[in-house]
Amino acid sequence: GEDVEQSLFLSVREGDSSVINCTYTDSSSTYLYWYKQEPGAGLQLLTYIFSNMDMKQDQRLTVLLNKKDKHLSLRIADTQTGDSAIYFCAVKGEYGNKLVFGAGTILRVKS
Amino acid sequence: KAGVTQTPRYLIKTRGQQVTLSCSPISGHRSVSWYQQTPGQGLQFLFEYFSETQRNKGNFPGRFSGRQFSNSRSEMNVSTLELGDSALYLCASSAPGEGKAFFGQGTRLTVV
Repeated sequence: GEDVEQSLFLSVREGDSSVINCTYTDSSSTYLYWYKQEPGAGLQLLTYIFSNMDMKQDQRLTVLLNKKDKHLSLRIADTQTGDSAIYFCAVKGEYGNKLVFGAGTILRVKS
Repeated sequence: KAGVTQTPRYLIKTRGQQVTLSCSPISGHRSVSWYQQTPGQGLQFLFEYFSETQRNKGNFPGRFSGRQFSNSRSEMNVSTLELGDSALYLCASSAPGEGKAFFGQGTRLTVV
């Protein structure tokens, strides 16, 4: 079945850029997402990219998609302490709205 | 526009009992999906409902069931609760033809 993998932990200094990586196996994925989860909260949709795009920029966030390698990344520019959270990569297949999630990357921002 | 609303936020139940969780999607959204989040298994898809029909189902036992009403509100039910059912249950809603899925704050279920 589908599989999504992420590195588990990333630590950066405030003001630096953060890059969170994700790989997936389902080549029929149509949409790919990045969600943020803070302690005790639900999932906040940060950004998403359609599978026919290579890049999407949204303020401090840049998403890069390499379909050939099935690799997705999220770059956060000028990382702030408020960005500390768990970031989930998720992919959607061709049918319906089922999302398959990675295990999440814990981002720690040091001041 | 109001977001996805899940009730209750917290629930404590005893093994063997049953529980019903509710999800009200964003107005105009007809698709509701449910996920279970646990520290060990991460986020796992339970099922999706679209226009009152179950469209997709994950690998969970039959104790987990759901339904959707004509106003798109959805409920999920877990019968004969087990300790391992303790989790954060999240609901997501999506609009027809759009790729975005928006999540509620979740219901934290604790089974004792």
